[in-house]
Amino acid sequence: NAGVTQTPKFRILKIGQSMTLQCAQDMNHNYMYWYRQDPGMGLKLIYYSVGAGITDKGEVPNGYNVSRSTTEDFPLRLELAAPSQTSVYFCASSLEGTNTEAFFGQGTRLTVV
Amino acid sequence: AQSVTQPDIHITVSEGASLELRCNYSYGATPYLFWYVQSPGQGLQLLLKYFSGDTLVQGIKGFEAEFKRSQSSFNLRKPSVHWSDAAEYFCAVDNYGQNFVFGPGTRLSVLP
Repeated sequence: NAGVTQTPKFRILKIGQSMTLQCAQDMNHNYMYWYRQDPGMGLKLIYYSVGAGITDKGEVPNGYNVSRSTTEDFPLRLELAAPSQTSVYFCASSLEGTNTEAFFGQGTRLTVV
Repeated sequence: AQSVTQPDIHITVSEGASLELRCNYSYGATPYLFWYVQSPGQGLQLLLKYFSGDTLVQGIKGFEAEFKRSQSSFNLRKPSVHWSDAAEYFCAVDNYGQNFVFGPGTRLSVLP
């Protein structure tokens, strides 16, 4: 029962570098989400996907890109890292939208210096 | 746009005391409402949810929540807090079935 798996758990990036945060789920869920968590701000939605090949912007998409080529994987790409992207990133999935339970990964703590 | 407020940033209670965490939402229709808990260094875990019907819902770990439409509230309660309940608690509302909007969270500390 892996659930939602995020890699890496921790990463330090230099300004201007790029990286991909990986997210995989083995529950055959259609919906997947990327959130960032900043202290006192709760979780803000970056991107979400309602199925393979379909992605949509959330509240804070600037500086990020996603793709959803398979049901299982939903990677988040940072092209030009900026200090404002220092955050904890959570991937989540649900079977069919918000009327089914969302399962969260353990998070990726990213620091941009 | 949907929004969720949690007025209390940090609450401290003694072990064995009762707990109530407040949540208010702004939503144009009948919402789906959720409470999640996050232990330090962990992801979020669903405590309970409200979709329709009985306005008092029971969840895991002895938690319950009451939906009050007139007050746009969905407060979380527990009659007797245990030290292991120390965590951060997030209220969330669905965004027209597509994704979740979260509140800023309430950090709960438990005194022995």
